[in-house]
Amino acid sequence: NAGVTQTPKFQVLKTGQSMTLQCAQDMNHEYMSWYRQDPGMGLRLIHYSVGAGITDQGEVPNGYNVSRSTTEDFPLRLLSAAPSQTSVYFCASSQQRTSGNTIYFGEGSWLTVV
Amino acid sequence: GENVEQHPSTLSVQEGDSAVIKCTYSDSASNYFPWYKQELGKRPQLIIDIRSNVGEKKDQRIAVTLNKTAKHFSLHITETQPEDSAVYFCAATLSTNAGKSTFGDGTTLTVKP
Repeated sequence: NAGVTQTPKFQVLKTGQSMTLQCAQDMNHEYMSWYRQDPGMGLRLIHYSVGAGITDQGEVPNGYNVSRSTTEDFPLRLLSAAPSQTSVYFCASSQQRTSGNTIYFGEGSWLTVV
Repeated sequence: GENVEQHPSTLSVQEGDSAVIKCTYSDSASNYFPWYKQELGKRPQLIIDIRSNVGEKKDQRIAVTLNKTAKHFSLHITETQPEDSAVYFCAATLSTNAGKSTFGDGTTLTVKP
């Protein structure tokens, strides 16, 4: 059971380049999310999905696109990288239950835009 | 939307002392309050959570308290150990939307041996 797997772990991009961060989970969780983590700013929600074919914006969605064609996969696309997108990105998944749900995070992707 | 404030941003204690981290939230509809621990270079991991129908929850050396009226909740770590050194995040959300949690800015806890 791999949990949440995201790739790549490290990436350097030039301003204006595009790229996709891959994320997959094998726990059959309905909910998947992407967060970015910047120093002193905690984890901020970029986009999330409550199931295949359904996505919505979080707190900081500008410059990013997502899609959810399957339950397992939730890629994050940077359309035209900017230095302000230098950050650590975490993919996460959770179940949708009224009892409350543990968020399982991937190992993180360190992205530098130069 | 929800807004979560977390204090202090840094906390340094001697081994064996207690540590307390406090969070306030703004949305009275939030009913699920997890705490995550993040070691350096690692992913955040859940250490304890509390739901709005409970006032306190304990798990060995850690405990969380919730005051719904005042909209604040706290993490208490007793008998701290060097391995407790990490960044701790609180979060608030609806229990059915945990994947859409709003996080505090984090507290860096340092336990000095």
